[in-house]
Amino acid sequence: AAGVIQSPRHLIKEKRETATLKCYPIPRHDTVYWYQQGPGQDPQFLISFYEKMQSDKGSIPDRFSAQQFSDYHSELNMSSLELGDSALYFCASSLRTGRWAGELFFGEGSRLTVL
Amino acid sequence: DAKTTQPNSMESNEEEPVHLPCNHSTISGTDYIHWYRQLPSQGPEYVIHGLTSNVNNRMASLAIAEDRKSSTLILHRATLRDAAVYYCIPQLGNTPLVFGKGTRLSVIA
Repeated sequence: AAGVIQSPRHLIKEKRETATLKCYPIPRHDTVYWYQQGPGQDPQFLISFYEKMQSDKGSIPDRFSAQQFSDYHSELNMSSLELGDSALYFCASSLRTGRWAGELFFGEGSRLTVL
Repeated sequence: DAKTTQPNSMESNEEEPVHLPCNHSTISGTDYIHWYRQLPSQGPEYVIHGLTSNVNNRMASLAIAEDRKSSTLILHRATLRDAAVYYCIPQLGNTPLVFGKGTRLSVIA
């Protein structure tokens, strides 16, 4: 079965550079989530989209932005990168069912290293 | 958001049952209770969810207290592959999952 695809898997950037992460959700899923997981930390919710509209916003820095496109893939754009942005970035997708947000399926993550 | 309390870590012998507790005393009547786990070097993985009644699936069972202020995830026979961080997450409606600290489960062969 198709899973959530994230690219790139690994990315190395210098401070103050920009980075873009891509996420391809499971077909027919209507919600996409982005999470950031620093070393030794728990996943932190950044932002989500439902039917291509921004749905919820978490602890996403102002330097970051995200969008979901007409084909449902999503991109997380990060600018003015800082050392503290080094982390695993997970994308997840789900299909809402009534009041339940659905089972979240997570990708394998994109590891960003900022030097 | 409902706050959760889970043990930092637990240990189990292989092929024995494991009961992972979670307190969520501030949960509201419509919050679903989710359990996810994260194996080393992988993204989180759905385990089970419930609202009021106990739930079973191929991975685990979820026992929910009558007052819904606590729940227990039950792995009937722990395997080495079950070693992971287990997260108990109350979720209100369609709001995003907020991961807390979780319980790190070690399984001893």
